[in-house]
Amino acid sequence: NAGVTQTPKFQVLKTGQSMTLQCAQDMNHNSMYWYRQDPGMGLRLIYYSASEGTTDKGEVPNGYNVSRLNKREFSLRLESAAPSQTSVYFCASVTGWMQETQYFGPGTRLLVL
Amino acid sequence: QQPVQSPQAVILREGEDAVINCSSSKALYSVHWYRQKHGEAPVFLMILLKGGEQKGHEKISASFNEKKQQSSLYLTASQLSYSGTYFCGTEDRQFYFGTGTSLTVIP
Repeated sequence: NAGVTQTPKFQVLKTGQSMTLQCAQDMNHNSMYWYRQDPGMGLRLIYYSASEGTTDKGEVPNGYNVSRLNKREFSLRLESAAPSQTSVYFCASVTGWMQETQYFGPGTRLLVL
Repeated sequence: QQPVQSPQAVILREGEDAVINCSSSKALYSVHWYRQKHGEAPVFLMILLKGGEQKGHEKISASFNEKKQQSSLYLTASQLSYSGTYFCGTEDRQFYFGTGTSLTVIP
């Protein structure tokens, strides 16, 4: 039982390059979230998926797209990376809605030059 | 939308107590508390639902006052392992984490 896994762990991009961050969970949860965390700051919600086949924008969705491939996988895509997207990205798998416990992956550290 | 936490940072000696506060400008139905150690992912501590119920986890407990739109996290007889950043979280169609409180426990 791996919980929530994220790949890659670390990535360096040049401005304008694209990449996809992968997230998978094996806890059979319906909901999954993507956050970013900047130094000294809290986590801000980028996108979330309440169930397979649905996605919604969070607080800071600009510059990102997501895909809920199936119940297990939720990917985050940066189409044209910018230095402002340098951050640590966390995926979370959520037990339910409104009384939820979030289980976080280990994070992806992204540096955009 | 983001809940505001106070204090921003606190340093304690082992065995001392601390209180972390979380305030929201919007009505609260629940408050979540997470702890994040340096370089790691946040870990769930507890959730408090409407009704003012106080919950506990080890020597860490919390209260929730939905009328005041506030929650407080109480750490008693702190241990070195309590060091980290504590976040509250609230839900309003989506989830919002608080501004965070850095807690350092020294010997």
